[in-house]
Parts: sequence; C-alpha cells; structure tokens
Amino acid sequence: GAGVSQSPSNKVTEKGKDVELRCDPISGHTALYWYRQSLGQGLEFLIYFQGNSAPDKSGLPSDRFSAERTGGSVSTLTIQRTQQEDSAVYLCASSLLPEPGASPLHFGNGTRLTVT
Amino acid sequence: GNSVTQMEGPVTLSEEAFLTINCTYTATGYPSLFWYVQYPGEGLQLLLKATKADDKGSNKGFEATYRKETTSFHLEKGSVQVSDSAVYFCALYGGATNKLIFGTGTLLAVQP
Repeated sequence: GAGVSQSPSNKVTEKGKDVELRCDPISGHTALYWYRQSLGQGLEFLIYFQGNSAPDKSGLPSDRFSAERTGGSVSTLTIQRTQQEDSAVYLCASSLLPEPGASPLHFGNGTRLTVT
Repeated sequence: GNSVTQMEGPVTLSEEAFLTINCTYTATGYPSLFWYVQYPGEGLQLLLKATKADDKGSNKGFEATYRKETTSFHLEKGSVQVSDSAVYFCALYGGATNKLIFGTGTLLAVQP
C-alpha cells in the first residue's frame, strides 16, 4: 500500500473530549498538509509541514487545534475540548516536493469526526 | 486574498453528454490552476493542471484552459461516462505560501 493512510476512518466523540487524528504519508514525501472538509464547504487549509517543521499553520481555527510531525513522516492532528462545529472530514495529503505546482498532492480517505 | 469559485452542483447528465464545470479565480500574480477529482470511496487525486496563461491541461478526456483575461479554468469533457461520476474540485496555488486553495467542489452524476 503506497497511498496516504489516515486513522481512524471514523471518530465519534463527546463535546469537550480531546481527539487525535493520525496521518501516514507516502514514504519519501517531504510535504504534508491537513485540510478540513465541512458539508457544503470547500477544503479548508489547516496546516502545512515541510519535514518536521510547520512554516504555515495559518489555517488552524483556534488554539484548541495543534499538529506535529515526527521523523519527517507520521503526523498527528490534535483537537482539544472538541466542539460541535469541529465536526467535519479531516483530510491529510502529502507531496514529494514542497511546491504544490511541482508535484501533485496525494490525499488520504480522511477521518470523519462527529462531535455529539 | 486568493480564492476559487466553482459552480454549484449537483450536475446530472446522461452518458455521452457534454460536460462543463465552471471555475473562476481571484489571485494576485500568476497562479497555477488545478482540477482534482474525488471518486466515491477514494481520496482526492490530481486530474489536470495548467501553470501559465493559455496553457491547456488535459487527462482522461477532460480539458481545461487557463484564461487570464476571464480569470477562468473551466473543466470540459466531450462525452461523459458513468465512471466519471465524482466530485470535482478546482484549486489554485498562488506561490506566497505552499498551500492549495480549493473551491467547494461540484458533484457530477452521470446516468446510463
């Protein structure tokens, strides 16, 4: 399996709980992106990693959201004290080169988060 | 800031019909433009791209031409198939930061 893998595929949590979403990018891909897809909305950019550093985290909606990437590979998106408006599909993508125009983004199937 | 606007769906067509999905953009400078497609149960994947004005991207019978004068990148296909049923996303990369900006997506349903 050479694709981007995300886990869990579905997550139901109670309001106020913390959740962790995991992304395993394609081996060797240096850039990693997190997007959020809400019903009726486009893909909302959250954060971008180049290696283990995050030069652009401008899309994180609040300080309840954080992300890290270790070993230039796996990334975890953490949402603390979840709210109902956090319900969405969280998508991870990786690309070989840092510039999206230079190499395509490869997306995982996403994690569907439902906050009750 | 940079943004992408694409036509609302769903678009429902019969097999072999002509397809157009409109996409317009707002950007400073000279962005690169993309169409991504999401088939049922699969992740988004790049369909085609164009990196400068008047370029035509093409793949799997789909085409889109980068029109700077009308700030558009409309997706077209001459004869759609049932297997083309998917959600299509127009996207823009504007260079200032390494992120793609996506439109809201257009659901295409092709009926036999």
